[in-house]
Amino acid sequence: QKEVEQDPGPLSVPEGAIVSLNCTYSNSAFQYFMWYRQYSRKGPELLMYTYSSGNKEDGRFTAQVDKSSKYISLFIRDSQPSDSATYLCAMSDKAAGNKLTFGGGTRVLVKP
Amino acid sequence: GAVVSQHPSRVICKSGTSVKIECRSLDFQATTMFWYRQFPKQSLMLMATSNEGSKATYEQGVEKDKFLINHASLTLSTLTVTSAHPEDSSFYICSATSTPYEQYFGPGTRLTVT
Repeated sequence: QKEVEQDPGPLSVPEGAIVSLNCTYSNSAFQYFMWYRQYSRKGPELLMYTYSSGNKEDGRFTAQVDKSSKYISLFIRDSQPSDSATYLCAMSDKAAGNKLTFGGGTRVLVKP
Repeated sequence: GAVVSQHPSRVICKSGTSVKIECRSLDFQATTMFWYRQFPKQSLMLMATSNEGSKATYEQGVEKDKFLINHASLTLSTLTVTSAHPEDSSFYICSATSTPYEQYFGPGTRLTVT
């Protein structure tokens, strides 16, 4: 079993819909949780990070962490075609030298 | 967010030659830099962790004599692929961080070995 599980998709939604992305993890030592967006042939772009359970909002993005269930989510409101990309969740444990453990990524397609 | 650059963005080299890739953090000092490799439609695979002034720590299965990493300063790390072969062709991405929760990635370097 992988440390971080993420549905690979693809996830296809109409423009304006809410995109819901999830990851589950097994390592309770993870303290920091991040979401990245990666366009084809580009480096990942950090969208959001959080280190406590609960919700964190930034513009159209909301990150949610439930440490008791070992479950994190990212919601994208009012999705746009430009949101079409692969979304990667990542987690780190400071004791492990800040190395990131990634989910496999979810490919999202927002149709106009 | 912070900016990390990589150079070159794309390189083609002949089998047996060496290639150097630079990674720079442009607007912050990175205590740690990481090097990843990514195959098409796959997630990132960590190759090594690099701290300024010390030897890089390589992940299991990564040949340290083939992938030489130098972290000369808090803003610069280099990856040299020595005696490159076609199987080394890949997308190489670096990242830089100064906190446990903000790791910023470069745009990547596409290496093609002919």
